Amino acid sequence: QSALTQPPSVSGSLGQSVTISCTGTSSDVGRYNSVSWYQQHPGKAPRFMIYDVNNRPSGVPDRFSGSKSGNTASLTVSGLQAEDEADYYCSSYAGSISVVFGGGTRLTVL
Amino acid sequence: QVQLVESGGGVVQPGRSLGLSCAASGFIFRTSGVHWVRQAPGKALEWVAAISYDGSTTYYADSVKGRVTISRDNSKNTVFLQMNNLSAEDTAVYYCAKQAEVGWSHLDHWGQGTLVTVSS
Repeated sequence: QSALTQPPSVSGSLGQSVTISCTGTSSDVGRYNSVSWYQQHPGKAPRFMIYDVNNRPSGVPDRFSGSKSGNTASLTVSGLQAEDEADYYCSSYAGSISVVFGGGTRLTVL
Repeated sequence: QVQLVESGGGVVQPGRSLGLSCAASGFIFRTSGVHWVRQAPGKALEWVAAISYDGSTTYYADSVKGRVTISRDNSKNTVFLQMNNLSAEDTAVYYCAKQAEVGWSHLDHWGQGTLVTVSS
């Protein structure tokens, strides 16, 4: 399976909102609602942020939200805080019992 | 709290084999699926393999199928990843991750990773 497509980088100022896109195909993102998002700070393990497109695990601030339209899923971070600066990865169930990740997006907080 | 601790990484020559372990604690291990995900230096996450809660079913990425075997020992709360015929493209940090109850492809807890370097 080919990796999902994410922009290499996005940026936003403190307190503002940013949206990260994640584009797949009709065989993964477009077909299944099993889209997840992960946050990864440098040198750290990924953190589970969103599942099934728009659900937050316990402990994840409600500033993080997800959505999906067609073959593209999105993660929106509202009220940007300094600690939100990190890499973000989307993933999707890709059929045939497999998972595909996105290429990752570096979020910079200005 | 949930903990996953990987071990077994190191430097290995091309064509050789290496086995990784993932020791789990803080949850009912025998009821949870576990995945391995790798990350080459400066690159994105790549799903590698998964194993069902009882070890009866295993799943592999096409990129490693035939060279990698995932297994588990529920009596020791440990998952293993045996990698054969390694090449430079296998150089990465290897993470084990617990499968979330909300869905097979969701990974709710991750270990800190173990670095595998394939080099002569």
